[in-house]
Amino acid sequence: EPEVTQTPSHQVTQMGQEVILRCVPISNHLYFYWYRQILGQKVEFLVSFYNNEISEKSEIFDDQFSVERPDGSNFTLKIRSTKLEDSAMYFCASSKGWGGQAFFGQGTRLTVV
Amino acid sequence: AQTVTQSQPEMSVQEAETVTLSCTYDTSESDYYLFWYKQPPSRQMILVIRQEAYKQQNATENRFSVNFQKAAKSFSLKISDSQLGDAAMYFCAYLYTNFGNEKLTFGTGTRLTIIP
Repeated sequence: EPEVTQTPSHQVTQMGQEVILRCVPISNHLYFYWYRQILGQKVEFLVSFYNNEISEKSEIFDDQFSVERPDGSNFTLKIRSTKLEDSAMYFCASSKGWGGQAFFGQGTRLTVV
Repeated sequence: AQTVTQSQPEMSVQEAETVTLSCTYDTSESDYYLFWYKQPPSRQMILVIRQEAYKQQNATENRFSVNFQKAAKSFSLKISDSQLGDAAMYFCAYLYTNFGNEKLTFGTGTRLTIIP
């Protein structure tokens, strides 16, 4: 069964450093997403990406965040200058769209120290 | 803005019994999708069941079924013959799709414990 893969599974970084979280969505999917889950809290939408551009972003997705699909297979989330409050589980997801199931990766646990 | 409410932060059920998890949502749209996702301790998000709002028939998936009440904006999940592997966090989620624009809005989750 096709799956969404994320790397790394766990990343520890110092405050102020840049991190890049990587995702390989399912190959025939058209919509790509990043979600965030702070420990013990609900899953929050960050950004959706369709047709090589951001289609929607949340208030959380400020100027320190960016997304890219550099080579047609990878989908990355960059956090430019990490803060302690960016510590969370970050989930990548992809779907065919039109209400189809969103498939989630296993997540990257980001710890900012 | 759409909101999803799960009023039961924790639930428990005896193994082999039936349990129902509640979810309500708020939307002004008439066509949308609803989901239940399961998050075990590994924290992977796993789809349990999907409901299309324009379908009156309640979705079922083996031991999992939903009670979808569109007018009441209610979407509960029933788990029959509960098994130890069902222990997890369960999230209700709402999706409104507009061409090129999709996002899931999640509830706060219900932690389900299975008592052997």
